[in-house]
Amino acid sequence: DIQMTQSPSSLSASVGDRVTISCRASQSISRHLNWYQQKPGKAPKLLIFGASSLQTEVPSRFSGSGSGTDFTLTISSLQPEDFAIYYCQQSHSRPSTFGQGTKLQIK
Amino acid sequence: QVQLVQSGAEVKKPGASVKVSCTASGYTFSSYDINWVRQATGQGLEWMGWMNPYSASTGYAQKFQGRVTMTRNTSISTAYMELNSLSSEDTAVYYCARLFVRKTSGSSFDFWGQGTLVTVSS
Repeated sequence: DIQMTQSPSSLSASVGDRVTISCRASQSISRHLNWYQQKPGKAPKLLIFGASSLQTEVPSRFSGSGSGTDFTLTISSLQPEDFAIYYCQQSHSRPSTFGQGTKLQIK
Repeated sequence: QVQLVQSGAEVKKPGASVKVSCTASGYTFSSYDINWVRQATGQGLEWMGWMNPYSASTGYAQKFQGRVTMTRNTSISTAYMELNSLSSEDTAVYYCARLFVRKTSGSSFDFWGQGTLVTVSS
């Protein structure tokens, strides 16, 4: 199975900050990488697919980059509603696997 | 609009089985695989398996092989996930999710159910 490792596991930031979350795959997954946002008590929400494509209705302050084994999710200017847990997921091969999550907290 | 609506919370005893439903609306049910993902309290996301509603083909994560069964009823656009031989380690929120496949960008879970809490306790 492909292992997905996110860093950091948690992050404190302020409204307006630019933040970056990293995700590394244990082997090359091309650009088959998705990012999800999860808020307490809610299902995950798709933000980015194919490493860098923005899902419909997701604000443009979210962006993704990377290919192969190293990927990044960037939020250009944090808004209050962005404080949540973020997960990466590889769709290159089954079983689909997720990173352990990055908790983004208010500083 | 696309919606996946899951059945309500369940409390089960160790050794029992649970069957969770996921009813789709707003799209052609048979055109997209349904996947199941679970999340223990305070933990990450764990993929369990997939089902193709058109063919009824399935694929399960190794961890759940022999213990999980995914089925569907196309007449009511509903997918089911049944998990047997429950233990306390199966206490989690279970999600169904629609798999959207793109030719060049891979696939992703674009719509999710609201989740079903399954509690296993004696």
